[in-house]
Parts: sequence; C-alpha cells; structure tokens
Amino acid sequence: QLQLVQSGAEVKKPGASVMVSCKASGDTFTDYFIHWVRQAPGQGLEWMAWISPNTGGTNYAQKFQGRVAVTRDMSISTAYMELSGLKSDDTAIYYCARHLTTKHSFDIWGQGTMVTVAS
Amino acid sequence: QPVVTQEPSFSVSPGGTVTLTCGWSSGSVSTGDYPSWYQQTPGQAPRTLIYFTNTRSSGVPDRFSGSILGNKAALTITGAQADDESDYYCLLYVGSGFWAFGGGTKLTVL
Repeated sequence: QLQLVQSGAEVKKPGASVMVSCKASGDTFTDYFIHWVRQAPGQGLEWMAWISPNTGGTNYAQKFQGRVAVTRDMSISTAYMELSGLKSDDTAIYYCARHLTTKHSFDIWGQGTMVTVAS
Repeated sequence: QPVVTQEPSFSVSPGGTVTLTCGWSSGSVSTGDYPSWYQQTPGQAPRTLIYFTNTRSSGVPDRFSGSILGNKAALTITGAQADDESDYYCLLYVGSGFWAFGGGTKLTVL
C-alpha cells in the first residue's frame, strides 16, 4: 500500500523560498500523478499543482503560476514543491496527494507540512 | 477560473439524513467533472469518501452516497452519526489539467 511521507515543518521569512518533499513508498512511483494542496489556518483546501512522475509533466493553478515549481527525483521516489516569494498568507499546511487516473480522485494523502511565514 | 460552491455549514440530528451539494458558480456539474468528496477532521489530512460521482472509497460506510442532483454533485449521509461531524470538501475537474476544491461544508451533528 502506497504511503506518502512529507518533510517536516518550516519557518521562513517573507520573500524567502520553501521546498517541501513528498516521498512515496510501497508502490511504483510512476503509475499516478502527485498533486499539491494547501490549507491556510481555519480555511479550506486549495489545489495548487500536479506532476506526473513518469513524464515530469506539470500543471499549476493560475494563482501560483510563476511562484511555484513541482519536480521529482525518480531515483528516490520523491516529489518536491518549491514556493518562492513567500508572503504571510502563504502560511499553511501543504499536502501532497496521489491521483490515480482510474479513480480521478486524490486517494492517498501525505501527513501535511506546516509552513509558517513570519518576520 | 470557475469557482466551486458548497454550503458553508449544515446541521443534522443523529440518525437523520443530510445532503450536501457541490456546484459550479455558473453551469452544471456532470460526471465528466469527476466529482469526489473528502472528509476532514481537525488536525488530520483529508480522507476520500466518494470518487467518480458515486463510488465509495474502500472502507467508507454505506451510509455515505454520492450522486448528481439537478445541476450539482451531492453527498448524502443517511443515518448520521456523531463521528460524522467534520468538514466536507468536494473536488471537481475544471478541465485542461486544472482542479478546484469547494470551500467546504462544516457539518454539525446535534
């Protein structure tokens, strides 16, 4: 059974960048998409981006285009999400999630990574 | 980009039935939007309840069901229990590789 394990909490200053990792174990890394979703404190879920580990193809929500980049390292079955130009309202829990095209849903989620942006 | 709409809050009595809905700011939801539903309790990652409009995810009790009602996707809980008190989110496929969550519905069971 696939598990997604994310990197630990981060505290960053405004204007900095943050990179969150998402390591897959227990299943092949190529048979699905990895999406990134964030949740600000007390707020709802917000879709950000996806990457196809197989092809490296990506897509980004318009809100984040130019500020987010998702990549992967096939050798260690890990996906990364880098968000730059951090602002205080980027303070949120960032989740990675698996998307199987056979289900078109986000069926397995990482545990989440808290990113705090504060001066 | 289209906005996904959900009721901000809903309440149901224990044992009662409640239907939460998920729509587009303009237009109708169809099965081709691949509606899925997620349950989230405080401090936890979301859990998938329903995908492909009406398919229950593994381990989800059959009191949860999904459908298209009118021009919206719907999640119905039949025989609500206390531990169904959670936030519920729908997810829709916008098209061209874009996805969007609804704002979520906070369900109270009392």
